[in-house]
Amino acid sequence: GNSVTQMEGPVTLSEEAFLTINCTYTATGYPSLFWYVQYPGEGLQLLLKATKADDKGSNKGFEATYRKETTSFHLEKGSVQVSDSAVYFCARQNNNDMRFGAGTRLTVKP
Amino acid sequence: NAGVTQTPKFRILKIGQSMTLQCTQDMNHNYMYWYRQDPGMGLKLIYYSVGAGITDKGEVPNGYNVSRSTTEDFPLRLELAAPSQTSVYFCASSVGQPNTEAFFGQGTRLTVV
Repeated sequence: GNSVTQMEGPVTLSEEAFLTINCTYTATGYPSLFWYVQYPGEGLQLLLKATKADDKGSNKGFEATYRKETTSFHLEKGSVQVSDSAVYFCARQNNNDMRFGAGTRLTVKP
Repeated sequence: NAGVTQTPKFRILKIGQSMTLQCTQDMNHNYMYWYRQDPGMGLKLIYYSVGAGITDKGEVPNGYNVSRSTTEDFPLRLELAAPSQTSVYFCASSVGQPNTEAFFGQGTRLTVV
C-alpha cells in the first residue's frame, strides 16, 4: 500500500540537543516528500520538501534527505530551540494523493 | 493574505444533527482537500477536488459529502453526526502541480455528543 510511517512520540529534548525524527514511506513511482510542522492551535505549515532521490530539503536549520534506496526521509536538526516545540508530520505525494504520517510531538525544554 | 479560511473554529453537535464545515481559499488554487486529524493517527483524507465541479473520495469518505461549485469554496457536509466523527477537520488547497505544497486552514474542532 501507500503509506507513511514516522517515529512515534512524544520526543522531549533539552535546548541545543540534536534531533532526529525518522520517516519511511511506501509508494508506487517517484513521490515527492515533505515535512510539515503544526504549532499549537494552528494548521500545518510546510517546513521543507524534496522532489527527487538524493535531494536535500532544508529550512530553519532542519534538514531531510530523500533516500530512495531506503525509502526514507528522516528529519534532523543539529541544535533545537524551545521555539521548535511542535508536532512534525512527514508526508508523501503521488499525483493527487497526499498521505501523512501520524505525527511526532516534540517538546524542547530550556 | 487570507489563504485558507475555515469556519467555524469549534462546534458541538448532538448525535443525528447535521452541519456544514465551510472552507474558502483566495489563492485561485485548483486542488482542495478535506482531512480529519485524530490523536496519534495523523491526517486522513476525506474528500478532495481537482477543480470546480469535480470531487473524489479519499481514504475515509463515509458519513460525509462535499461540493465544489466554485474554485474558492469547498464545503464539507455531515448529514447524520455520529460520535466517531469527533475530530479536528482541516481544509487545504494547492496549485495542483506535482511537487507543490498544500496550504492548510486553522482547523475546525468538532465534538459529537
